[in-house]
Amino acid sequence: DTGVSQNPRHKITKRGQNVTFRCDPISEHNRLYWYRQTLGQGPEFLTYFQNEAQLEKSRLLSDRFSAERPKGSFSTLEIQRTEQGDSAMYLCASSWRGTAYEQYFGPGTRLTVT
Amino acid sequence: AQSVTQPDIHITVSEGASLELRCNYSYGATPYLFWYVQSPGQGLQLLLKYFSGDTLVQGIKGFEAEFKRSQSSFNLRKPSVHWSDAAEYFCAVGNALGGAQKLVFGQGTRLTINP
Repeated sequence: DTGVSQNPRHKITKRGQNVTFRCDPISEHNRLYWYRQTLGQGPEFLTYFQNEAQLEKSRLLSDRFSAERPKGSFSTLEIQRTEQGDSAMYLCASSWRGTAYEQYFGPGTRLTVT
Repeated sequence: AQSVTQPDIHITVSEGASLELRCNYSYGATPYLFWYVQSPGQGLQLLLKYFSGDTLVQGIKGFEAEFKRSQSSFNLRKPSVHWSDAAEYFCAVGNALGGAQKLVFGQGTRLTINP
């Protein structure tokens, strides 16, 4: 069990550029979550996958955001036309269906939009 | 809507002293409650969880928490803190609305340890 991994760990981009983050969950976990954490705040839910199906999206997830989880394994989160307000830590978590609330988090991807 | 309040943004304690971090939640049914710890630049590590049963739960690193339904609280305690406990601590409640079983977090309490 290598835990949840996220890449890249840090990303600096210019406003208007597109960025993509990757999350690799714990291998036997079928649920995958994305959260966003801004400075001085707790994480906020963005979206959730059960296997390859995206089952819920937060209102925080604007049309510029898209997430995928092909084949129910790793997931990607893409932000198009980045804005300075997108600067945050993007956290991925995974869990097993039987203990869905017991979520294990990755180290996060810190995005800075200049 | 479900919510979590951590009244203390920042707490400073001396090494070896006892610690209590406060957490109040708002949830209509029996809550699933969690405490996570986050070191600078890192993800969140699960310290302990409450689902049901004994209201005093033990976690990793010597932490414990007590669920008090009458006070809607789930305070985190440690009898003697170590310098390595300096971190950000988050309380969370499980929210099953919509089926996602997502976590709703408080804004966190930053713990500083004086030598």
